[in-house]
Amino acid sequence: DGGITQSPKYLFRKEGQNVTLSCEQNLNHDAMYWYRQDPGQGLRLIYYSQIVNDFQKGDIAEGYSVSREKKESFPLTVTSAQKNPTAFYLCAINRGRGQPQHFGDGTRLSIL
Amino acid sequence: KNEVEQSPQNLTAQEGEFITINCSYSVGISALHWLQQHPGGGIVSLFMLSSGKKKHGRLIATINIQEKHSSLHITASHPRDSAVYICAAVFRYNTDKLIFGTGTRLQVFP
Repeated sequence: DGGITQSPKYLFRKEGQNVTLSCEQNLNHDAMYWYRQDPGQGLRLIYYSQIVNDFQKGDIAEGYSVSREKKESFPLTVTSAQKNPTAFYLCAINRGRGQPQHFGDGTRLSIL
Repeated sequence: KNEVEQSPQNLTAQEGEFITINCSYSVGISALHWLQQHPGGGIVSLFMLSSGKKKHGRLIATINIQEKHSSLHITASHPRDSAVYICAAVFRYNTDKLIFGTGTRLQVFP
């Protein structure tokens, strides 16, 4: 999506290492979301933020952390406490509740 | 049991066929989304609807609120329609988030 950028596209993590996935948007939207996608499962919500300096846990927040210091940026850190981090991670944004979501192209995280 | 169920899980078709993908949900919604995920992983929003029917090109989405059911139709299917199609619901009890179905993998052969 032209307005939302995720990086890197592929990421490898060693055991015990924290890694940070980047999500940047230039659409001036307030709401930002992080999802995890595993084979055969629907996307699951990790964290979301409706406004700068505020964020809420989603359904599977354990082992993850986020920050929202700027409106355009919502980085996700996968900590060493996340024992099964291998997955496809998607960031999404929207204008507000009930609006269509715009998704980034995703980051595929693997364990070395 | 997932709150959003899709069927079928996998679907193959010949070019030109009419395609239907189904989505059912468990409780009252404020909106339902249809999304398309291409092999590279990126997701595009196709429709958001809360009642009736929407059409965009060869794609049609319908929703029946009483039956808690939505369908995505593709007319005159083409190989470029090959993708995973995902429905996602915003439930009235929590409008902060989407609940996703597991997706329908569609392959259209020439």
